[in-house]
Parts: sequence; structure tokens; C-alpha cells
Amino acid sequence: AQKVTQAQTEISVVEKEDVTLDCVYETRDTTYYLFWYKQPPSGELVFLIRRNSFDEQNEISGRYSWNFQKSTSSFNFTITASQVVDSAVYFCALSGTNFGNEKLTFGTGTRLTIIP
Amino acid sequence: SAVISQKPSRDICQRGTSLTIQCQVDSQVTMMFWYRQQPGQSLTLIATANQGSEATYESGFVIDKFPISRPNLTFSTLTVSNMSPEDSSIYLCSYVVSAETQYFGPGTRLLVL
Repeated sequence: AQKVTQAQTEISVVEKEDVTLDCVYETRDTTYYLFWYKQPPSGELVFLIRRNSFDEQNEISGRYSWNFQKSTSSFNFTITASQVVDSAVYFCALSGTNFGNEKLTFGTGTRLTIIP
Repeated sequence: SAVISQKPSRDICQRGTSLTIQCQVDSQVTMMFWYRQQPGQSLTLIATANQGSEATYESGFVIDKFPISRPNLTFSTLTVSNMSPEDSSIYLCSYVVSAETQYFGPGTRLLVL
């Protein structure tokens, strides 16, 4: 069975601070995808990143960066110089890589509040 | 990525009635899914909408309560039947191409009184 744990339920930081959202996963699959999604107050789910289990390179996209460590089954997300627009619920998710195994298993989400 | 839309965006319904939610993608996609997000909770998969065959439901969800249609490769509907206040949730559809990233619709906010 697959499981995603986001231990941080809520985080509040002052604008311009850096913040890291933690994600720990469990799976028996040898290959899998990891995702981060953002859900702003409007409710839509915005795709941020997909990482293949074969690729442990960290990734940076502007103020966002992701640290994938297979040894600790973690896929953490860091926002640098946070902004008020980053306030949202962030979900980490896991899926298989084969056709018919695309079901997403979501973590419980981390509500991030950026204080101006 | 393809554009995905849902109708209605929100609705308030009376107990015992049914609501059909539509999901439209602007290009053909292989897999479509329906998720439920109860207030303050994470997303839970209801079912996988298969084109040309019956939907595949997850444990805890049944066809009588959540009938799904997938008449073609760009469209799907989810009906929430005989609603109760416990059905108040955000319902989201999603699609995936080539077993990779799932993209989500804007969601339908349902309040059942």
C-alpha cells in the first residue's frame, strides 16, 4: 500500500522568510512518481512538480526548490523569500508509473500562511 | 497541458436530491478520475472513469451513490445521488496522459442543506 505523510499541518512565516514543507512517503513499487500540488483559497489544484523515482537530482524553479532523498523516502519542498501569494494548502502525492497504476495517493496537506 | 473545466463551479442543494457534475477536457485524454475533498481534508479518489466501460470505484464508493459516465475521450460526468449534508465537499475531476502527471479541474463546491 502507498502512503504519504505530511506531518506539518499548518505553518506560518513572515513574508520573505524561507520555509520548507516536509513529505515522507511509503511504497512497495520500484518505480514511482512524486508530486507537489498547490491549492490556493479558490480551490483549484495546481500542479507544481513531478519527480521520477529514478531521478534524485534536486530541482530549482525560481523561488521553489525540491529535495528528493530516496534513502529517507522524503521529497521536501522549499520556498525561498516567501510571498503572500504563496499562502495556500500544499499537497504531496505519489503514484505508480505504469498504465493502470496512475492513482494518486495524497498526503493530508500543509496549510502555509505567509504573514505580510 | 490540456484545458480542463467543470460545471457547475458551485451549488447548494437540498437533502435527497441529486446533482450531476460535468468535466470537459479540450483534447482527448486516456484516463479521467473523480476525487472528493471533504472540508479541511485531503483528496480521496472516488473512481476512475473508463471510456466505453463502467467506472472503477475505490473502496467505500459505490455506483448507486456516485454514477459516472465517460461517453468519449474528452468528457465525463459524476452524479452525486440522494445527497445528504455529509456529501458537502469539493469534487474534482482530473486527467492523465501517458501514465504521468494528473491535471485537475477547478473543482465543484457542493453544499447540501
